[in-house]
Amino acid sequence: AQKITQTQPGMFVQEKEAVTLDCTYDTSDPSYGLFWYKQPSSGEMIFLIYQGSYDQQNATEGRYSLNFQKARKSANLVISASQLGDSAMYFCAVRWSGNTPLVFGKGTRLSVIA
Amino acid sequence: GAVVSQHPSRVICKSGTSVKIECRSLDFQATTMFWYRQFPKQSLMLMATSNEGSKATYEQGVEKDKFLINHASLTLSTLTVTSAHPEDSSFYICSARARGKGGETQYFGPGTRLLVL
Repeated sequence: AQKITQTQPGMFVQEKEAVTLDCTYDTSDPSYGLFWYKQPSSGEMIFLIYQGSYDQQNATEGRYSLNFQKARKSANLVISASQLGDSAMYFCAVRWSGNTPLVFGKGTRLSVIA
Repeated sequence: GAVVSQHPSRVICKSGTSVKIECRSLDFQATTMFWYRQFPKQSLMLMATSNEGSKATYEQGVEKDKFLINHASLTLSTLTVTSAHPEDSSFYICSARARGKGGETQYFGPGTRLLVL
């Protein structure tokens, strides 16, 4: 069965430090897309970064980068130089194939401390 | 990124009444929209996929007669919670797919908090 796992329910990081949020998935499909979203307390889902299963390079978007290890079925999000405004829930999501909707992991609550 | 709006942002209603939530794609056409529900401290759970001009596809366990979905145009989908009960209280989020970085990206509305008394 296709499954997404975020093993860290909560994480703390010191301001200005880097933090890695884990995400693993289980699929036998060769083609899929990996996404990370941020959800602050207001509830909106903010798209952060995307990685296609065939992309050779790890995706980067500003302070966000995705550590994609296809053989390990791992798509960890790295946030560099953490800021207080980064405190939020972070969800890993996968689009398995074609026009299927995103399926989400359980999320990780990140708290940035001054 | 693409903009998706939702209305209302929050609603309180009495048990037994129906509530309609609108989801609009503001700057793009969305042939497919998705409705999710999120309970406190939990993840988003897909309720249904809404296709313009055709019937919605519901996920297992979601009652289609209770959660009526209409996708009347390429920019508007509505979710109606019929005869709402307290257990329907939740955060409802719609999403639409648009071409973004890396291909088709799902953009989300700001969500609607429903409280049924």
